[in-house]
Amino acid sequence: NAGVTQTPKFQVLKTGQSMTLQCAQDMNHNSMYWYRQDPGMGLRLIYYSASEGTTDKGEVPNGYNVSRLNKREFSLRLESAAPSQTSVYFCASSDNEQFFGPGTRLTVL
Amino acid sequence: LAKTTQPISMDSYEGQEVNITCSHNNIATNDYITWYQQFPSQGPRFIIQGYKTKVTNEVASLFIPADRKSSTLSLPRVSLSDTAVYYCLVGVSRFSGGYNKLIFGAGTRLAVHP
Repeated sequence: NAGVTQTPKFQVLKTGQSMTLQCAQDMNHNSMYWYRQDPGMGLRLIYYSASEGTTDKGEVPNGYNVSRLNKREFSLRLESAAPSQTSVYFCASSDNEQFFGPGTRLTVL
Repeated sequence: LAKTTQPISMDSYEGQEVNITCSHNNIATNDYITWYQQFPSQGPRFIIQGYKTKVTNEVASLFIPADRKSSTLSLPRVSLSDTAVYYCLVGVSRFSGGYNKLIFGAGTRLAVHP
């Protein structure tokens, strides 16, 4: 039982490049979330999926898209990366309390 | 979702009890109070949740007064490994049936010294 897994762990992009962050959970949870955390700050919700087949915007959705591929997987896509998107990205899933993945540290140059 | 206010940082020593207070003046009737813990380079981890009075589990206690406008997380006999950021959140219960939209503030950075 791996819980919530995220790939990659680290990534460096150049401005304008695109990439997809992958997240998978093996706890059969209905809800999944993507957060970003900037240095010294709390987490901010980017997008969430209350259940398979639905996605909704959180606090800071601009510049991102998501796909709830199936019940297990929820991906986050940066179409044209910007330096302001340098952050640590956390995926989480829940049926009750939220369980978080280990994070992806993204640097955009 | 109700806004929360908590101290930016706290210092303690091993073996002491630590109490972190959170203010949530605009808490709604059906809101629960939840605390998460985050270690460096890790995602947050659920610690405890409560609605009123006192809740205790194996790692912490949560004290909530009758007006519910504040709450106090109590960590008994802290150790160096309790050094982390602690977040107070107010919102729907973890038993709401799945989806819960959490708003994280900056949290309280607890440093435990030898």
